[in-house]
Amino acid sequence: GNSVTQMEGPVTLSEEAFLTINCTYTATGYPSLFWYVQYPGEGLQLLLKATKADDKGSNKGFEATYRKETTSFHLEKGSVQVSDSAVYFCALVDYTGTASKLTFGTGTRLQVTL
Amino acid sequence: AAGVIQSPRHLIKEKRETATLKCYPIPRHDTVYWYQQGPGQDPQFLISFYEKMQSDKGSIPDRFSAQQFSDYHSELNMSSLELGDSALYFCASSLKGGRAGELFFGEGSRLTVL
Repeated sequence: GNSVTQMEGPVTLSEEAFLTINCTYTATGYPSLFWYVQYPGEGLQLLLKATKADDKGSNKGFEATYRKETTSFHLEKGSVQVSDSAVYFCALVDYTGTASKLTFGTGTRLQVTL
Repeated sequence: AAGVIQSPRHLIKEKRETATLKCYPIPRHDTVYWYQQGPGQDPQFLISFYEKMQSDKGSIPDRFSAQQFSDYHSELNMSSLELGDSALYFCASSLKGGRAGELFFGEGSRLTVL
C-alpha cells in the first residue's frame, strides 16, 4: 500500500535559519504530493502541492520538489519565522475509484525561537 | 471564500453515549471525507462519499456510520463511545471526486469522551 515517511520532530530552529523537513513516499502509480500545515488548535491547511515528477510546489517561502527517482518531496524554507511554528504533514493522494484519499505522514513539529 | 464548516467545534460525551458530527462542504464540492486525528498523531482516513454514495472506507469502526445527504452535507454518527474515540475529527471536501488532488479541510470537531 501507499505510505509516507517523514523525519521525526520536533525540529527547533532559530529565526532566519534554513529549514529542511524530509519526506519520502511509497506508492503505486504516480501520486500527487502535498505538504499540509497545522497551526496550534487549528485544522489542516494546504501549504503546497506537486502533481508530477520534477514539479516544484511553492508558497509563503516554502518549496518542495517532486523527485521521482528518490521518491522524495522534501520541504525547504530559506529563512524561518516564529510564525512558522506548526506541525507539517507530508501527504500523497492516490485515486481509488471515484474519489481520492490522502495518506499522511506522521507529522513534524517545527518550533522556531527568537 | 466559503470554507468547509464543521459542527459542533467541541463536544463532550460520556462512555457508551452517542455523538453526531456534521460537515458542510464548500459549495459545489461533491465529495466529502472524514478523518480522525488522535492526540499527537497523524490524521487517519475514515470514510468518503462521492455524489451521496460511499466511495471509500478506511479505518472506521463498526460503531461509526456516516452518510452524505441530498444537499451534500455529511454526518458522522458515533455510538457506544469509548475513551479511545477522543480525537479531533476533520471533514474535508473536494470537487469531482478529488481528481484535482486537493482536499479542503474544516477546522475540525474535537470530541472528548469521559
